[in-house]
Amino acid sequence: TQLLEQSPQFLSIQEGENLTVYCNSSSVFSSLQWYRQEPGEGPVLLVTVVTGGEVKKLKRLTFQFGDARKDSSLHITAAQPGDTGLYLCAGDEYGNKLVFGAGTILRVKS
Amino acid sequence: NAGVTQTPKFQVLKTGQSMTLQCAQDMNHNSMYWYRQDPGMGLRLIYYSASEGTTDKGEVPNGYNVSRLNKREFSLRLESAAPSQTSVYFCASSEAGGGARLYEQYFGPGTRLTVT
Repeated sequence: TQLLEQSPQFLSIQEGENLTVYCNSSSVFSSLQWYRQEPGEGPVLLVTVVTGGEVKKLKRLTFQFGDARKDSSLHITAAQPGDTGLYLCAGDEYGNKLVFGAGTILRVKS
Repeated sequence: NAGVTQTPKFQVLKTGQSMTLQCAQDMNHNSMYWYRQDPGMGLRLIYYSASEGTTDKGEVPNGYNVSRLNKREFSLRLESAAPSQTSVYFCASSEAGGGARLYEQYFGPGTRLTVT
């Protein structure tokens, strides 16, 4: 099973600051997904990246897939309290399964 | 559409008791999954079903059994619960199978299980 390492594990920032979350593996994935999970709920898909070097933007969130399809990053610009949650990356193992990272807990203080 | 539904939402068991967690999806998805989520460990796959009538072990299958009752329903059974099975359990579904390439998953709200 391929492993996905997420960093940092925990991030506490002030409203308006920028941040980046990283997701790294030594193996190649056919695609990589980012999910956001709020307390007491299941994860919800934010984005899927498929092509090496691909960049996708979702309002203030920017997602990038590494050229070699082994890593990804999530950048949030001008974070807001509503961005608070657990962010999970997940890689497609060229099959029917996803491998999840351990997650990054983000807390944005107003 | 309700998406993915799970029952119960909360459960407390004593060591050795058994129970079944129910999951249903109304999106006509081929694949269904059971995960457990523990602090600092992300989501770990217990079992999955790529199509009706098939099931496969995931990363942490010991102590669990599953049944893919039909295309909509996928249940998870704990035959003899242990404290180590205290966790939050999520069911998910995806279009994977039948040639679908991208395996985005849609999750239920979770079952919070405590084994004492």
